[in-house]
Amino acid sequence: SQQGEEDPQALSIQEGENATMNCSYKTSINNLQWYRQNSGRGLVHLILIRSNEREKHSGRLRVTLDTSKKSSSLLITASRAADTASYFCAHPSAGANNLFFGTGTRLTVIP
Amino acid sequence: NAGVMQNPRHLVRRRGQEARLRCSPMKGHSHVYWYRQLPEEGLKFMVYLQKENIIDESGMPKERFSAEFPKEGPSILRIQQVVRGDSAAYFCASSPRQADDTSPLHFGNGTRLTVT
Repeated sequence: SQQGEEDPQALSIQEGENATMNCSYKTSINNLQWYRQNSGRGLVHLILIRSNEREKHSGRLRVTLDTSKKSSSLLITASRAADTASYFCAHPSAGANNLFFGTGTRLTVIP
Repeated sequence: NAGVMQNPRHLVRRRGQEARLRCSPMKGHSHVYWYRQLPEEGLKFMVYLQKENIIDESGMPKERFSAEFPKEGPSILRIQQVVRGDSAAYFCASSPRQADDTSPLHFGNGTRLTVT
């Protein structure tokens, strides 16, 4: 299976704390993406990092990519209750025609 | 510019009936992907289509499932003779380019199929 794994599966933090989610994958990639899914809704793209990049920022989001370890992390700083959602990493595989999604991390931010 | 539109949002079918799920991609997007999601799980790829062509259906069961993306009109995911195990959320996503480019997918809000 090319599907990635994410950890933790679930994360509960207090508002204002930072949340870190990790993703591991198995194949060579040219980019890795993070998506967010609110309950009962579709996925929303958050950020994309290319294989030649090591770190990328967007607002309160910070993504890192370590291609030697085939892993990525998503950091959400100064979390808010509205950040409560499931977060998925995804990557296209070379020669494949779709995105493979990880198993997701369910983040709960307690007000 | 409307996003990806899926309908119906909720669909209830009895075992043995047919389910037809519709997806209108974002304007200007010619690449459509269907995914299936079981409760508390990630998304599983089913099929990738471009206008009038199935490019990759490796994730779709060989029997009872079919998909199309005609020249005019929405993409359709069709499930014949539904069984309880087909109950899931089915998501459609679109993009202007192939997914292995640096092009994110835009998702609809899904169709939740319940088979009774």
